[in-house]
Amino acid sequence: GENVEQHPSTLSVQEGDSAVIKCTYSDSASNYFPWYKQELGKRPQLIIDIRSNVGEKKDQRIAVTLNKTAKHFSLHITETQPEDSAVYFCAAFLKGGSQGNLIFGKGTKLSVKP
Amino acid sequence: GAGVSQSPRYKVTKRGQDVALRCDPISGHVSLYWYRQALGQGPEFLTYFNYEAQQDKSGLPNDRFSAERPEGSISTLTIQRTEQRDSAMYRCASSFGLGTSGYNEQFFGPGTRLTVL
Repeated sequence: GENVEQHPSTLSVQEGDSAVIKCTYSDSASNYFPWYKQELGKRPQLIIDIRSNVGEKKDQRIAVTLNKTAKHFSLHITETQPEDSAVYFCAAFLKGGSQGNLIFGKGTKLSVKP
Repeated sequence: GAGVSQSPRYKVTKRGQDVALRCDPISGHVSLYWYRQALGQGPEFLTYFNYEAQQDKSGLPNDRFSAERPEGSISTLTIQRTEQRDSAMYRCASSFGLGTSGYNEQFFGPGTRLTVL
């Protein structure tokens, strides 16, 4: 089955700096990679996603890159703000066979200091 | 419109009791997923449905866990003879469907915090 590794587990940056979170996956058949943000006590919410036929996707201050050969994908947040502080989860989706579900990483706790 | 809802939001039970957790997906969403999320961890897949059919239950920890979605809408996750190790946040999510292109966004519910004493 699929396995997703996420690093780092915690990340502290100064407001205005960039933050990068990296994930690797094991199954080359995985074809969809969403990122979820979970604020304290809240439910996970999708912030950006990328499909396997695309190498990079941007949405304002957030971008995701995908390297299919190396089987890793990364979340980039530029000009970080205190409200970016949360736990971020990457996930990989493997369609077909006995799986049709998301496998999540263990999360990265991002702290943005004013 | 209304998002995914779950009930109860909190459940405290004694070891050995059965519990039933309910998920009400977004109207029109054909896929429904159950996850368990331990504190400080990512959601862990349990099972999922397309309409009323359970497609994959490989994530259910053991045979004390079961789920159903008899009419393709509301789903119930049942845990029989609860044990302390079952204590966790149980979340469901729904998506419009897998679609022909592969995948649709999963929308998560608020979760049910289960505590087994």
